[in-house]
Amino acid sequence: DTAVSQTPKYLVTQMGNDKSIKCEQNLGHDTMYWYKQDSKKFLKIMFSYNNKELIINETVPNRFSPKSPDKAHLNLHINSLELGDSAVYFCASSLTSGGPDTQYFGPGTRLTVL
Amino acid sequence: SQELEQSPQSLIVQEGKNLTINCTSSKTLYGLYWYKQKYGEGLIFLMMLQKGGEEKSHEKITAKLDEKKQQSSLHITASQPSHAGIYLCGAGPDAGGTSYGKLTFGQGTILTVHP
Repeated sequence: DTAVSQTPKYLVTQMGNDKSIKCEQNLGHDTMYWYKQDSKKFLKIMFSYNNKELIINETVPNRFSPKSPDKAHLNLHINSLELGDSAVYFCASSLTSGGPDTQYFGPGTRLTVL
Repeated sequence: SQELEQSPQSLIVQEGKNLTINCTSSKTLYGLYWYKQKYGEGLIFLMMLQKGGEEKSHEKITAKLDEKKQQSSLHITASQPSHAGIYLCGAGPDAGGTSYGKLTFGQGTILTVHP
């Protein structure tokens, strides 16, 4: 059983389009995250939700809007895609946000903006 | 903000050789995570260290956190092609618990193991 799953795995789109990436975890965790990995493999936090509430927003352009319909799902919607948005986006989850709980990562979504 | 520096940035070894990857923090570490990433895949959790001087092992991989909790090392014994990938260290919540679980990662070490 996949613990943290993301769809789609690959996404190729034109500049200016709007796209969404979905994430689901079946671990019963309270906290979910979105990370972005750039072309140099540098992985950086974007957002974190704890029990459907936004707790971290790391100076991400407001074209990026996360949505958590329930604590098992955290989706990422991106408006007006730009070339610089091309990256691999990882979803992760952890039991809580208050302690050193291990984060489990999804397989990633490779977004290519043409 | 906390910064993590990994070294080396890339490493090429012959199968069977031992190797070490280092992760140095600009601040005291209160939770240090090691992950492995294979191309096209997500991050696989390896180990988490919290206490100064702590050492953990899993199969042929050993991770250590120094007494001052500012440096960690990942050692692979008798490397195999299956060990190839990108190794990332991540720093966990700070002492005040205000980072809300976010991890700050090093830039990664690309490991290639030649058969």
